[in-house]
Amino acid sequence: NAGVMQNPRHLVRRRGQEARLRCSPMKGHSHVYWYRQLPEEGLKFMVYLQKENIIDESGMPKERFSAEFPKEGPSILRIQQVVRGDSAAYFCASSPQGNGNQPQHFGDGTRLSIL
Amino acid sequence: AQSVTQPDIHITVSEGASLELRCNYSYGATPYLFWYVQSPGQGLQLLLKYFSGDTLVQGIKGFEAEFKRSQSSFNLRKPSVHWSDAAEYFCAVAQAAGNKLTFGGGTRVLVKP
Repeated sequence: NAGVMQNPRHLVRRRGQEARLRCSPMKGHSHVYWYRQLPEEGLKFMVYLQKENIIDESGMPKERFSAEFPKEGPSILRIQQVVRGDSAAYFCASSPQGNGNQPQHFGDGTRLSIL
Repeated sequence: AQSVTQPDIHITVSEGASLELRCNYSYGATPYLFWYVQSPGQGLQLLLKYFSGDTLVQGIKGFEAEFKRSQSSFNLRKPSVHWSDAAEYFCAVAQAAGNKLTFGGGTRVLVKP
């Protein structure tokens, strides 16, 4: 997907380390969404951000997880003190506006593995 | 709260045969409905969407879906599958305000030669 860029594609961390996942939205898109796909499960919403604002973080775990979308640069999903259960594929999506009739365009994801 | 159910976890179909994937949703108002396809190791690609109007929606790759309000369903169909259609398919719903997607559990499609 040449539109939404996520990096790294694969990330390996040991328990207790920090993981930083980056997402650059499609050109012209100012709304970013993060989803998590656990093994053998569907995608679950985590957080919705607009430039410099968190709009909806109802899907974020209460501890260790944070997200930002600064005025300049990519959106970052940060996981502190990772545990085995954080192993998953993390997908970023973007849209030009934050209403329901604007389809989201997805990146290829970051596969996070915790040793 | 909105929810999406895809009753079939796996479907195996012969190449050239027709395919129908089921999706049922639970949502209080008129939903925005989507079908996405995910190939192994890849992100999600939008196949089609329904917002309003004609309840039969045409998408990419020869797919179509029909919105049936009375049955709370949005089933995906393709008349003749190709080997390249082997993938996982996700139905999703969004609410009008805010664009958060709620996904079904997915249906994995295997295509036999």
